[in-house]
Amino acid sequence: GAVVSQHPSWVICKSGTSVKIECRSLDFQATTMFWYRQFPKQSLMLMATSNEGSKATYEQGVEKDKFLINHASLTLSTLTVTSAHPEDSSFYICSATADINYGYTFGSGTRLTVV
Amino acid sequence: GQSLEQPSEVTAVEGAIVQINCTYQTSGFYGLSWYQQHDGGAPTFLSYNALDGLEETGRFSSFLSRSDSYGYLLLQELQMKDSASYFCAVNRGGSYIPTFGRGTSLIVHP
Repeated sequence: GAVVSQHPSWVICKSGTSVKIECRSLDFQATTMFWYRQFPKQSLMLMATSNEGSKATYEQGVEKDKFLINHASLTLSTLTVTSAHPEDSSFYICSATADINYGYTFGSGTRLTVV
Repeated sequence: GQSLEQPSEVTAVEGAIVQINCTYQTSGFYGLSWYQQHDGGAPTFLSYNALDGLEETGRFSSFLSRSDSYGYLLLQELQMKDSASYFCAVNRGGSYIPTFGRGTSLIVHP
């Protein structure tokens, strides 16, 4: 089955620093990947759609200069949280699909804590 | 836009059957998906209904009625490990971008 690998699984960083999260499709090519943010006990909020070889499409209210997305290859998308602040602390998850009939496969998620 | 409604919480006992309903509004509907998420983990895909009717996968079944914009997830022979959040999802109008419901927290008691 389709496998999506996400790293790191957790990270603690200081305010003002940047954090990069990687999302890889291991056994399929993903022209499109999605980045979500999830607060405790809440739903998955789509942040942006990452398109291979082109600019990401950001959802309304998501700061594209703060959440930099790069999709340089068919198997790798990265999300960089720049100048992180405590309010950016959250669970970030990526997803992709090889076949919509088999749903979306999610990475294991990254728990970001900004102190 | 899209909107999905599902109950916030459902409780049941081991061995029972539980149904989690989902009503949706979206344009350009492709299908209804269901995902399971345990605390601290990532969502995992359970089922996808593109056509009306019932899809069965082991203890889990999913139903879709396109005319009613309604679907449900049926869990049988509940086990403690089924305690998790369950999300329904539809595609954003005319695209494959998924939009998730707020999730239903299922609590299974012994």
